[in-house]
Amino acid sequence: AQSVTQPDIHITVSEGASLELRCNYSYGATPYLFWYVQSPGQGLQLLLKYFSGDTLVQGIKGFEAEFKRSQSSFNLRKPSVHWSDAAEYFCAVGASRGSSASKIIFGSGTRLSIRP
Amino acid sequence: EAEVAQSPRYKITEKSQAVAFWCDPISGHATLYWYRQILGQGPELLVQFQDESVVDDSQLPKDRFSAERLKGVDSTLKIQPAELGDSAMYLCASSKLAVQGNEQFFGPGTRLTVL
Repeated sequence: AQSVTQPDIHITVSEGASLELRCNYSYGATPYLFWYVQSPGQGLQLLLKYFSGDTLVQGIKGFEAEFKRSQSSFNLRKPSVHWSDAAEYFCAVGASRGSSASKIIFGSGTRLSIRP
Repeated sequence: EAEVAQSPRYKITEKSQAVAFWCDPISGHATLYWYRQILGQGPELLVQFQDESVVDDSQLPKDRFSAERLKGVDSTLKIQPAELGDSAMYLCASSKLAVQGNEQFFGPGTRLTVL
């Protein structure tokens, strides 16, 4: 079965510093991979997604992610974080089995705090 | 910009009471999802609709939860009776098509507290 692991529960980064959030997935074939962001008390917003092709994916708000099949990873990066990036970040994998072709399985999330 | 609407935003209830949440997806979106997000965890799919039909309710606790989307537009999720363990954020999402990769747009959620 598909699964997603986000090993870091909470990360604190100084404003202006670079960021990398880790994500590992378990899936038998080429996965559909997503990164979502959730601000406190809000719903989720899609940052970027990977289906095929170029393994470096550009998203909104200056984020990018790199798909590495050999490591089963899809880490999220940003070269310089802003205080407004403080939020919860979820990695997710698309589940193609069963009746729900568009089902998404989410990781447990990484909470990002920004140090002034 | 079109958004997914949910109400209420917050709900406090006592255990054994009935609660209901409402979701209005983005116009034209045929697929609607209800997720439950327990504090500190990622969202978990409860039920997925394609138009008015349920296509996946494998994770829905059917003894107490029910969901409907009678006219294939807005949807209601009900819990009866509520239990302490139901305290969570309930998120609704919609997408144009039920195909892999089609972006799901999320509403702001309903935060349920069961006392």
